[in-house]
Amino acid sequence: EAGVVQSPRYKIIEKKQPVAFWCNPISGHNTLYWYLQNLGQGPELLIRYENEEAVDDSQLPKDRFSAERLKGVDSTLKIQPAELGDSAVYLCASSVGTYNEQFFGPGTRLTVL
Amino acid sequence: QQQVKQSPQSLIVQKGGISIINCAYENTAFDYFPWYQQFPGKGPALLIAIRPDVSEKKEGRFTISFNKSAKQFSLHIMDSQPGDSATYFCAASGDTGANNLFFGTGTRLTVIP
Repeated sequence: EAGVVQSPRYKIIEKKQPVAFWCNPISGHNTLYWYLQNLGQGPELLIRYENEEAVDDSQLPKDRFSAERLKGVDSTLKIQPAELGDSAVYLCASSVGTYNEQFFGPGTRLTVL
Repeated sequence: QQQVKQSPQSLIVQKGGISIINCAYENTAFDYFPWYQQFPGKGPALLIAIRPDVSEKKEGRFTISFNKSAKQFSLHIMDSQPGDSATYFCAASGDTGANNLFFGTGTRLTVIP
């Protein structure tokens, strides 16, 4: 069974540029999460989807970050414009329902210059 | 505010030794305590998890000890192997009624052959 797929794996951009990350969860997993992982830190939740509904986006900086999961399957996280402090690894995870094990993708490492 | 505090930040253990990582929390509504293992360039992977109705859970060489009154839990890795060298994160969830995980800051374990 394929795991959570994320692309790109690495992205280098200039500050003020837009960037987008894509995630395809494990088939059948209706809950999808986006996490931010700074260097040397644990992941921090940005947003959680139940199917296509964003049920918890309280930690998402909405002035520059947006996310969508239009058909309740894959998801896109966007930053516009990117700032130097956005350099981090962006992790996507999925689970069957809300109370089950979360499976993480390999992440996208973003570097903002 | 860090919901879950983890120590030590790094740990070096001889092959065959016991690795011990500790975590503490304050929110008594937490009811699920997983440990994740993360290798460089990979996403976190669930290693073992415990709920507060038991004080210990063992899976192979990995054991979680849970002290509800002290609000502490720890991971013990018996007979540590070089392949165990990774970063370990404790986490907790349950206070929001959903599986939003709050992660510790991580422990980088190095097992010396």
